[in-house]
Amino acid sequence: AQKITQTQPGMFVQEKEAVTLDCTFDTSDQSYGLFWYKQPSSGEMIFLIYQGSYDEQNATEGRYSLNFQKARKSANLVISASQLGDSAMYFCAMRPPSGYSTLTFGKGTMLLVSP
Amino acid sequence: DADVTQTPRNRITKTGKRIMLECSQTKGHDRMYWYRQDPGLGLQLIYYSFDVKDINKGEISDGYSVSRQAQAKFSLSLESAIPNQTALYFCATSRGPNTGELFFGEGSRLTVL
Repeated sequence: AQKITQTQPGMFVQEKEAVTLDCTFDTSDQSYGLFWYKQPSSGEMIFLIYQGSYDEQNATEGRYSLNFQKARKSANLVISASQLGDSAMYFCAMRPPSGYSTLTFGKGTMLLVSP
Repeated sequence: DADVTQTPRNRITKTGKRIMLECSQTKGHDRMYWYRQDPGLGLQLIYYSFDVKDINKGEISDGYSVSRQAQAKFSLSLESAIPNQTALYFCATSRGPNTGELFFGEGSRLTVL
């Protein structure tokens, strides 16, 4: 079974600074997918970024990048140039190998961006 | 209009009542899911369905049942609601194997008194 750990219950960052949200995972599978979702106070779940375990390069989507370190089993989300609208809950999630696309989620990190 | 629609969005009910949360999608996806979110616990999988004839239990299925009425519709039922089922419930869809990205509905907030 997969396990996702987000060790930071809350993080604070000033506007325009970069912030890293930690995520570690535990799996014996060689093929898997890693995801980050954002949940603002309004409650919806917004997909941010995806990294496949065999992808050679770290994923990037605009101001979001995923720092994937396979041997360390970590998949940290880096948000560059934080904005006030980035204040939200962030969830890391993992998909097991092919066939069963259910995601396992971490407990989340609350990010607060201050002016 | 949202691609994944959940009804009701908010519901307050009493212990012992039967509750149904409905989910419909216009994305044409075969795979549908119900997750539950409690503060500090992330999202936990209740049930999932990979096609109309396929229903699978997730990690916290006790006290819940589901029905996949059509490719586009997946309902979650609480036969006899209890207070610890107070939570935010999400329906989600995905395209198929090896894709993984979930498309979520806006959530249904259920309060059981």
